[in-house]
Amino acid sequence: AQRVTQPEKLLSVFKGAPVELKCNYSYSGSPELFWYVQYSRQRLQLLLRHISRESIKGFTADLNKGETSFHLKKPFAQEEDSAMYYCALRESGGYNKLIFGAGTRLAVHP
Amino acid sequence: DGGITQSPKYLFRKEGQNVTLSCEQNLNHDAMYWYRQDPGQGLRLIYYSQIVNDFQKGDIAEGYSVSREKKESFPLTVTSAQKNPTAFYLCASKVEGNSPLHFGNGTRLTVT
Repeated sequence: AQRVTQPEKLLSVFKGAPVELKCNYSYSGSPELFWYVQYSRQRLQLLLRHISRESIKGFTADLNKGETSFHLKKPFAQEEDSAMYYCALRESGGYNKLIFGAGTRLAVHP
Repeated sequence: DGGITQSPKYLFRKEGQNVTLSCEQNLNHDAMYWYRQDPGQGLRLIYYSQIVNDFQKGDIAEGYSVSREKKESFPLTVTSAQKNPTAFYLCASKVEGNSPLHFGNGTRLTVT
C-alpha cells in the first residue's frame, strides 16, 4: 500500500544549524512528492514539489528513488522556519489523491 | 479575495448529533477534498470530489457524508456513527492536473 513515513515527530535545532527533515515513501508507481508547511496560525501551504527542482526559503528536497526518500534540507535554519512540515505523495492516475505523512514539527531556537 | 473558506472556526456538539461543516471556494477549482488532522497522525483523507455531483470515499470515510451540488461548495456532515469525531478538519481544493492543493483555515470540532 502507498505510504509516507516521517520518522521524527519533533526536530529541535539552534538557529544557524543545518536541518534535515526525513521523508520515506512506499509506492509502486512513479511518485510525485511534495512538502507542505503549516506556520503557527496560518493555513497549510505548499512549500515545494520535487518536479520543480526549486529552492524555496532556502529549503531543497531531492527525490532518491533508490532509497525511496524525499528529505527536506536547509543548510542554515532560521527561527521563522519553526513550523509543522508534512511530506505528501500524489498517486498517479485516477483521482490524484494526496497521501500525507504524520508530520514533523521543526523548532528553531535562538 | 479568492480562497477557501471554512466555517465555523470552532464547533461544539453533543454526542449523538449530526453536524455539518461548511467549505466554500471561489477559486473555480474542480476538485475538493476533506482531510482530518489529528496529532501524531498527520492528515487523513475523508472524502474527495473531482467534479460536481461526483465524490469518492477516502481512507477514513466511515461516519461521514458529503455532497457536491455546486462547484464552489463541498459540505461535510459528521454523523453520530463517527466514533471519534473530535478533531481538526481541513478542506482543500485544486484545479485539474498536477497542481498543488489549496487549504482552508480549518474547523475544530469538539463533541462531548
